[in-house]
Amino acid sequence: GAVVSQHPSWVICKSGTSVKIECRSLDFQATTMFWYRQFPKQSLMLMATSNEGSKATYEQGVEKDKFLINHASLTLSTLTVTSAHPEDSSFYICSARDWDPSADTQYFGPGTRLTVL
Amino acid sequence: GQQVMQIPQYQHVQEGEDFTTYCNSSTTLSNIQWYKQRPGGHPVFLIQLVKSGEVKKQKRLTFQFGEAKKNSSLHITATQTTDVGTYFCAGDRGSTLGRLYFGRGTQLTVWP
Repeated sequence: GAVVSQHPSWVICKSGTSVKIECRSLDFQATTMFWYRQFPKQSLMLMATSNEGSKATYEQGVEKDKFLINHASLTLSTLTVTSAHPEDSSFYICSARDWDPSADTQYFGPGTRLTVL
Repeated sequence: GQQVMQIPQYQHVQEGEDFTTYCNSSTTLSNIQWYKQRPGGHPVFLIQLVKSGEVKKQKRLTFQFGEAKKNSSLHITATQTTDVGTYFCAGDRGSTLGRLYFGRGTQLTVWP
């Protein structure tokens, strides 16, 4: 099946630093990638939708200047949490949608656990 | 507000008992997907339902999509300890981007 990787799998950083998370589709081309965050025992909350070569579409309430998304190629999207604060600590998960329209499924990455001290 | 409602939020069963989780959307869906997330893991795709009234089975799991394409259910027969996890439904409204609206999830605990 389709594989999506995320790097790093976990990161601990000091308050005020920026953290970059990579999401890669390993064996397929992803026209669209989605970024979610998940707090403990809660559902996935969509943060933004990222299309290759264009600006990301952010959900209401998500600060685009704080959560920078770049989708430079059909296999890579990055999420940068700028000036991270403890309240940004969460589980960040990306998903990728296959370029093939008949493969109407999102494949999730393993997630990145961010802890901001 | 919550676009897809999912109940119950928690379910504790004895091994061997059945389990059902329900999802309801406020709008008609183009398809609905189900995911399972083990503790500490990430969501794993289980199945997608597209047709009105569709029923699909995967061993002990039965998935249904309502006639109006607004509700869905996942039923597990004779639960096992390996079924432990949180089950999420996710509705697709048919947008070109394929945005999914996730339910809150049902956390299943199975006692041996």
